[in-house]
Amino acid sequence: GQNIDQPTEMTATEGAIVQINCTYQTSGFNGLFWYQQHAGEAPTFLSYNVLDGLEEKGRFSSFLSRSKGYSYLLLKELQMKDSASYLCAVRDRGTGGFKTIFGAGTRLFVKA
Amino acid sequence: DSGVTQTPKHLITATGQRVTLRCSPRSGDLSVYWYQQSLDQGLQFLIHYYNGEERAKGNILERFSAQQFPDLHSELNLSSLELGDSALYFCASSVEGTGYEQYFGPGTRLTVT
Repeated sequence: GQNIDQPTEMTATEGAIVQINCTYQTSGFNGLFWYQQHAGEAPTFLSYNVLDGLEEKGRFSSFLSRSKGYSYLLLKELQMKDSASYLCAVRDRGTGGFKTIFGAGTRLFVKA
Repeated sequence: DSGVTQTPKHLITATGQRVTLRCSPRSGDLSVYWYQQSLDQGLQFLIHYYNGEERAKGNILERFSAQQFPDLHSELNLSSLELGDSALYFCASSVEGTGYEQYFGPGTRLTVT
């Protein structure tokens, strides 16, 4: 089956760095995404990893280790507007095509 | 604004009824994905269409069906509605058919009373 685990909530301070972890189990792994979702709004694409290593995009970086079934999203120089849910999602390739399986999300609270 | 549109924004209906949710993808995108997001279950993949053809199915109930039309807009039909179907329904679109970099619409909030 497929399973994605990430912490339910995290709190961090403005200007700091926070790391949100995600572990996954899937039979047809074909890439991992991170999305940001503000309350009541649509998710927005942040990053994509398919090979092991770190992908950096401005204040956001995402890391993947396929052998460990592990990823993290690193947010630097936190801003109040970064308070949102961060969704880890795995693209799974099966006989029925590609499916994107989302984790339950990590709610990040940024405090002053 | 992602460029993906969904109508209606809100829908309130009674149990046993049938509703249709509509999605127009970004210009040039061939794929449409439907997701259900409820408080206790997170974002659940329902179904994916690519250029008019069904490509992948997730945990979509038999009471639900979808289609993608020649102009690439898509409709999600929900019938025999139950209280538990109350949720936010998102559609997303992407250029290609593997799920990479999906752009989400604003969602339709369905309330079943």
